[in-house]
Amino acid sequence: KQEVTQIPAALSVPEGENLVLNCSFTDSAIYNLQWFRQDPGKGLTSLLLIQSSQREQTSGRLNASLDKSSGRSTLYIAASQPGDSATYLCAVGNSGYSTLTFGKGTMLLVSP
Amino acid sequence: NAGVTQTPKFQVLKTGQSMTLQCAQDMNHEYMSWYRQDPGMGLRLIHYSVGAGITDQGEVPNGYNVSRSTTEDFPLRLLSAAPSQTSVYFCASSYSWTGRVNIQYFGAGTRLSVL
Repeated sequence: KQEVTQIPAALSVPEGENLVLNCSFTDSAIYNLQWFRQDPGKGLTSLLLIQSSQREQTSGRLNASLDKSSGRSTLYIAASQPGDSATYLCAVGNSGYSTLTFGKGTMLLVSP
Repeated sequence: NAGVTQTPKFQVLKTGQSMTLQCAQDMNHEYMSWYRQDPGMGLRLIHYSVGAGITDQGEVPNGYNVSRSTTEDFPLRLLSAAPSQTSVYFCASSYSWTGRVNIQYFGAGTRLSVL
């Protein structure tokens, strides 16, 4: 059974810092990996999707990397802003269908 | 283009009552799924569908039924609500590309309390 772990569970940083969120998974036979953002009381918004054949994806200040062999992914956020405050979820696509296994998330607080 | 729409947003049930959580998407996505989110547990897959008429169980299917008669709709039925089903329920959809699922789009969620 696939298990996804996210470290740290919570992170508080001052505005402007670069930061890294970590995600690890136990079964390297994945189809893809997605990073989501969730604001309090809201749904999930997909930030980046990395297919199993890719090593990284970038969108604006966000960069996600994938190392299947070691079962790790990182989400790098450059020049953090208060608007980045949210919970960030890592989810692994386990099959050719829509099944995702989620980590418990990292709650990020960026202070002005 | 509304994306994924879930209704109702909030619901309170008594133990033993039944209800249906509605999910509709207007993106012509083949894949749809239901997750529940509980504190300290993360999101867990309940049921999913790879197309009209095709459904399958996820990690926590007990106490829930689904059917998919159209591409657009994927309702989740609680047969006899229990306090353990108090949770936030999310519906998601995605298209497929070369047979693989791509970006998942989530609804805003239904917050359910069972007393």
